[in-house]
Amino acid sequence: AQSVTQPDIHITVSEGASLELRCNYSYGATPYLFWYVQSPGQGLQLLLKYFSGDTLVQGIKGFEAEFKRSQSSFNLRKPSVHWSDAAEYFCAVVFLIQGAQKLVFGQGTRLTINP
Amino acid sequence: DAGVIQSPRHEVTEMGQEVTLRCKPISGHNSLFWYRQTMMRGLELLIYFNNNVPIDDSGMPEDRFSAKMPNASFSTLKIQPSEPRDSAVYFCASSPRLAGSSYEQYFGPGTRLTVT
Repeated sequence: AQSVTQPDIHITVSEGASLELRCNYSYGATPYLFWYVQSPGQGLQLLLKYFSGDTLVQGIKGFEAEFKRSQSSFNLRKPSVHWSDAAEYFCAVVFLIQGAQKLVFGQGTRLTINP
Repeated sequence: DAGVIQSPRHEVTEMGQEVTLRCKPISGHNSLFWYRQTMMRGLELLIYFNNNVPIDDSGMPEDRFSAKMPNASFSTLKIQPSEPRDSAVYFCASSPRLAGSSYEQYFGPGTRLTVT
């Protein structure tokens, strides 16, 4: 069955430290992949997306993500986090379900930044 | 571009009352989505429209929920009668829906619904 998993519910890092948020999916074909960020009290904002081509994609706010087909993963990275990066991060995947494309979200990873 | 607009931002109502949530998608976008977000269930797709036509409403939890899109610039999500377990944040999103390429969605700020 198609699924999206974000193994880490909550991650805490220090300001200036590097960050990696994990995302794994289960799907028989190459999916479309997205990362969204949700600040408190706000809607979701698209950080980056992958459809095809170069497996390392750059997004907004200094984020990047790498698609690894062999691992069915699409992990989000940032070399140095800022306090303003504290938010909830959602991985999302487009699956073909019953003939229709559906965007399915992972459960989210809450990021806390220590000063 | 004003982005996706939702109203109201907050709604508090009593059990049994009718609730109507409103959404104005980004101009020119062809698809519109309604989501519900709760701590327990995360982000769930309720229904989506293509060119104002409902395509998939399999996520609508019960007959108490209904959604309409009378034109390309307006959609409503109605709950009648409302129950406390409907308390959640409801998001509307729109997508340009370019065939074969983009499937990115643009989210509104959400409506926080509390049913007492």
